[in-house]
Amino acid sequence: TQLLEQSPQFLSIQEGENLTVYCNSSSVFSSLQWYRQEPGEGPVLLVTVVTGGEVKKLKRLTFQFGDARKDSSLHITAAQPGDTGLYLCAGLMNGSSNTGKLIFGQGTTLQVKP
Amino acid sequence: DTGVSQDPRHKITKRGQNVTFRCDPISEHNRLYWYRQTLGQGPEFLTYFQNEAQLEKSRLLSDRFSAERPKGSFSTLEIQRTEQGDSAMYLCASSSTPLVNEQFFGPGTRLTVL
Repeated sequence: TQLLEQSPQFLSIQEGENLTVYCNSSSVFSSLQWYRQEPGEGPVLLVTVVTGGEVKKLKRLTFQFGDARKDSSLHITAAQPGDTGLYLCAGLMNGSSNTGKLIFGQGTTLQVKP
Repeated sequence: DTGVSQDPRHKITKRGQNVTFRCDPISEHNRLYWYRQTLGQGPEFLTYFQNEAQLEKSRLLSDRFSAERPKGSFSTLEIQRTEQGDSAMYLCASSSTPLVNEQFFGPGTRLTVL
């Protein structure tokens, strides 16, 4: 059973379209991070959200943490081919701050066609 | 800017051989993590060090796996008597922020066991 469910798992869109990726759980997280990973490379940290209801923007990317800190979303406006990659959400569970062990979703593979 | 580095980037070995991977974290980070990622999945936690102390190990880390961080700086992950099921990307991450725990990943070591 996946503790963090990401959807969709695969997304193929045309350049200029908007998209949203979801990360859901029945567990509460003290913080949640979004990463982007390219083939053969390690994940690169995009953003960390900590407060329930928090919204953070990074250029065309908007990240939201759910009010109950159980879910998060990533919205990309006007996607570009350079946005292609694997998007991963990772949560730090309540009580895990001693170790900092992250629980990852299975990832969303995004392909943006020119 | 010296991020997390890992060596080697790729390793091909025959079943039954031993392999060792190295991770050099960001210099001021006292927390170091090893994760394993298989194709189409998010990373899974293997083990965690705070300075030189190994404080948590996943059940995924069988007795063929051993990790060390002897001086609280670089870390090594050794796999003895490799099996085909060990084929994966091995990722190292480091962190210095205990509460939010933003982790920064290295490029990974891709292991292929023939």
